[in-house]
Amino acid sequence: KQEVTQIPAALSVPEGENLVLNCSFTDSAIYNLQWFRQDPGKGLTSLLLIQSSQREQTSGRLNASLDKSSGRSTLYIAASQPGDSATYLCAVRNSGTYKYIFGTGTRLKVLA
Amino acid sequence: SAVISQKPSRDICQRGTSLTIQCQVDSQVTMMFWYRQQPGQSLTLIATANQGSEATYESGFVIDKFPISRPNLTFSTLTVSNMSPEDSSIYLCSAPRGDSNNEQFFGPGTRLTVL
Repeated sequence: KQEVTQIPAALSVPEGENLVLNCSFTDSAIYNLQWFRQDPGKGLTSLLLIQSSQREQTSGRLNASLDKSSGRSTLYIAASQPGDSATYLCAVRNSGTYKYIFGTGTRLKVLA
Repeated sequence: SAVISQKPSRDICQRGTSLTIQCQVDSQVTMMFWYRQQPGQSLTLIATANQGSEATYESGFVIDKFPISRPNLTFSTLTVSNMSPEDSSIYLCSAPRGDSNNEQFFGPGTRLTVL
């Protein structure tokens, strides 16, 4: 059974710092992995999608990497801003299914 | 990206009543998904809704409690039946973009409070 864990659960950093959020999963037979952002009381915004054959994806100040064999993904945020404050969720889709299993999330606060 | 809307955005309901949540996608999609997010928790999949067939429910969720309709390729409803305070959650629908990437997009969610 796929289990997805995110570390740390919460993170507070000063504006301008580069930071890394971690996501680990127990079953390496994944189809893809997706990173989302969720603002308080809101829905999810898709940030990056990495296919199982890819090593990384980049969008603006965000870079996500995937090491399928070790069951890990990282989301790198460069030059963090207060507007980046949100909960970040990773979700894994296993091969042979359309379902996503979500991690526990990392609550990020970027201080001005 | 797919645009997904949900109605209502929030509601406060009395114990024992039912609420139907609507989800509309701006393009035709084969699968739609319903998730629950309990306070302070991550998302848990309730069921997968396919057009023309009965929904497929995850372990711990049953059709009598969460009946789902999928009348066409752009619309679905989730009903939360005979509600109790434990049903207070955010309910979200999602659908994959209709290309090979299958990137998943989510609606804005329905925040339900049961008194």
